[in-house]
Amino acid sequence: EPEVTQTPSHQVTQMGQEVILRCVPISNHLYFYWYRQILGQKVEFLVSFYNNEISEKSEIFDDQFSVERPDGSNFTLKIRSTKLEDSAMYFCASSRPPGSNQPQHFGDGTRLSIL
Amino acid sequence: KQEVTQIPAALSVPEGENLVLNCSFTDSAIYNLQWFRQDPGKGLTSLLLIQSSQREQTSGRLNASLDKSSGRSTLYIAASQPGDSATYLCAWETSGSRLTFGEGTQLTVNP
Repeated sequence: EPEVTQTPSHQVTQMGQEVILRCVPISNHLYFYWYRQILGQKVEFLVSFYNNEISEKSEIFDDQFSVERPDGSNFTLKIRSTKLEDSAMYFCASSRPPGSNQPQHFGDGTRLSIL
Repeated sequence: KQEVTQIPAALSVPEGENLVLNCSFTDSAIYNLQWFRQDPGKGLTSLLLIQSSQREQTSGRLNASLDKSSGRSTLYIAASQPGDSATYLCAWETSGSRLTFGEGTQLTVNP
């Protein structure tokens, strides 16, 4: 069965550095998402992306964050000038059109640790 | 703002027991409801999706129901097994894009 794949599985970065988290969505999906889960807390929506532009973003997704689909397969989340509180699991998801009967499929996540 | 609450936060049962996990929400303007399973350190595995026009969905030993009028969904697990031990999350798709998650129910099924 097709899967969403995320790399790396674990990223350790010094505070203030930039990180790029990578995702390969399911090939016939056109809607892409990033979520994060701080340890012990709820999974939180960050951003959704369709047709090469952001379709919705949460209040968490400020100027520190950006997303990009640099080619036909990858979907990336860039975090600039990382802070300690950015430490979390970051999940990528993809789906067919939202509002239909198609679920969002999630990757295994990237654990980001900011030192 | 949509709020999602899951009860109980944790549940421990002996193998073979039938059990019910509860999820409630505050905004009835939903598109879909999804139930997920999360194993420690892993991603989210989609279990069932119920559209807003549906009342329930079944997959194997799992049955999920939706009652929009009361703002509730339940996940019923029949004949539980130790392999069912995981955290179960419900999530509402409200704006046609974002999923709003509950905090989850941590289930332990003891052999």
